[in-house]
Amino acid sequence: GDSVTQTEGQVALSEEDFLTIHCNYSASGYPALFWYVQYPGEGPQFLFRASRDKEKGSSRGFEATYNKEATSFHLQKASVQESDSAVYYCALSVSGSWQLIFGSGTQLTVMP
Amino acid sequence: DMKVTQMPRYLIKRMGENVLLECGQDMSHETMYWYRQDPGLGLQLIYISYDVDSNSEGDIPKGYRVSRKKREHFSLILDSAKTNQTSVYFCASSLGTDNTEVFFGKGTRLTVV
Repeated sequence: GDSVTQTEGQVALSEEDFLTIHCNYSASGYPALFWYVQYPGEGPQFLFRASRDKEKGSSRGFEATYNKEATSFHLQKASVQESDSAVYYCALSVSGSWQLIFGSGTQLTVMP
Repeated sequence: DMKVTQMPRYLIKRMGENVLLECGQDMSHETMYWYRQDPGLGLQLIYISYDVDSNSEGDIPKGYRVSRKKREHFSLILDSAKTNQTSVYFCASSLGTDNTEVFFGKGTRLTVV
């Protein structure tokens, strides 16, 4: 079945560091790809999406580019802040079923 | 105000008791979801509902059932709760297309003792 793999369970950075969180997917068809962010005590919140190859999604300084050949959608931010500390989830939307399949999540901790 | 509301936020139940988790949304979304979240596993889909009385199993439906009698309400029922159903449960809703944003509630932390 379709799946999403996030290789980093935890990432610890200092403020102004560059962030990369890796996301790879396996899917039949042509899924839409998403990043969600979850703050403590809250549900996941939509960050951005991309729906086709080479499309870049972005929001709040975060960005990711849909790479169909590499089956990847890596999250990046040039300069993280303490307020970016949260759990980040990569997800894909199963074509035709509207199901959202999530990766296992990456806990980002940014130290001042 | 676009919102998904879950009640209760915290719940402690004994093994074997029945559990009802309720969810409402004010966005007239057709599609609603129940997920559970466990450390290291991320969010796993329990059930998806495409509209009133139109529900489908997700990846982990065993031990759960759902009810959707009104578009704005979606309930998750655990008949005879088990300790391995201790988890955080999230309800969500969306307009229901492949690339649309999904809105989540704040979750219900269920502990089965």
